Amino acid sequence: SQKIEQNSEALNIQEGKTATLTCNYTNYSPAYLQWYRQDPGRGPVFLLLIRENEKEKRKERLKVTFDTTLKQSLFHITASQPADSATYLCALDDGSARQLTFGSGTQLTVLP
Amino acid sequence: NAGVTQTPKFQVLKTGQSMTLQCAQDMNHNSMYWYRQDPGMGLRLIYYSASEGTTDKGEVPNGYNVSRLNKREFSLRLESAAPSQTSVYFCASSEFSGVPKKVFGPGTRLTVL
Repeated sequence: SQKIEQNSEALNIQEGKTATLTCNYTNYSPAYLQWYRQDPGRGPVFLLLIRENEKEKRKERLKVTFDTTLKQSLFHITASQPADSATYLCALDDGSARQLTFGSGTQLTVLP
Repeated sequence: NAGVTQTPKFQVLKTGQSMTLQCAQDMNHNSMYWYRQDPGMGLRLIYYSASEGTTDKGEVPNGYNVSRLNKREFSLRLESAAPSQTSVYFCASSEFSGVPKKVFGPGTRLTVL
C-alpha cells in the first residue's frame, strides 16, 4: 500500500538556522509533490508544488527538492524565524481528482 | 473574498445523532473535497466532487454522505454518528480536479460521545 513518512514528528531548531524536513514515500508514482503549512486550529495552507520532472523549486526562503529515484523530498527553510513554527505536511498527488495523499506532518519549532 | 468557509467550528454529538457539516467557497472553483484529520494519521479523503453534479468516494467514505448543492456548496452528512468519527473535518476546493493546489477551510472539530 502507499505510504508517506515524514522524518520526525517534531523538530526544534535555533532561529537563523536552516530547517530541513524530509518526506519519504513508497509504492507511489506521484505526478506532483506538495508542501503545506498548518498552524494550530487552522486548515493547511499551500506553500510549494514540485513536479516529477523537476529537481528543485524555490520560493523566497523556501526550497524543495524532489528525487524520484530515492522517493524523497526535502523541504528547507533558510534563515528560520519563530514565525515559521508550524506543522508542515507533504502531500503526493498522482494528478487525478482524488489522489492527494498526505503525510502526518512534522511539527517545527524555531527557538528565539 | 473569504476563500473556503465551514460551519460549525465545533460540535459535540451523542452516538447515533445526525448532523450536516456545511462548506462553501467563493473562488469559483469546480472541485471540492472533504477530509478528516486524526492525530498521527494525516489527512484522509472522505468524498470529493470533481464538478457540480458529481460526487465520488475517497479513502474513508463509510458512515458519511455528501451533497454538492451547487457550485459553491458541498455538505457532509453523518447519518448516525459514532465515536470513531470524532475528528477534525476539513473542506477544500481546487480550480479543477486535475489542479493539485488545494485551498482548505478552517475545519470543524467534531466530538462524538
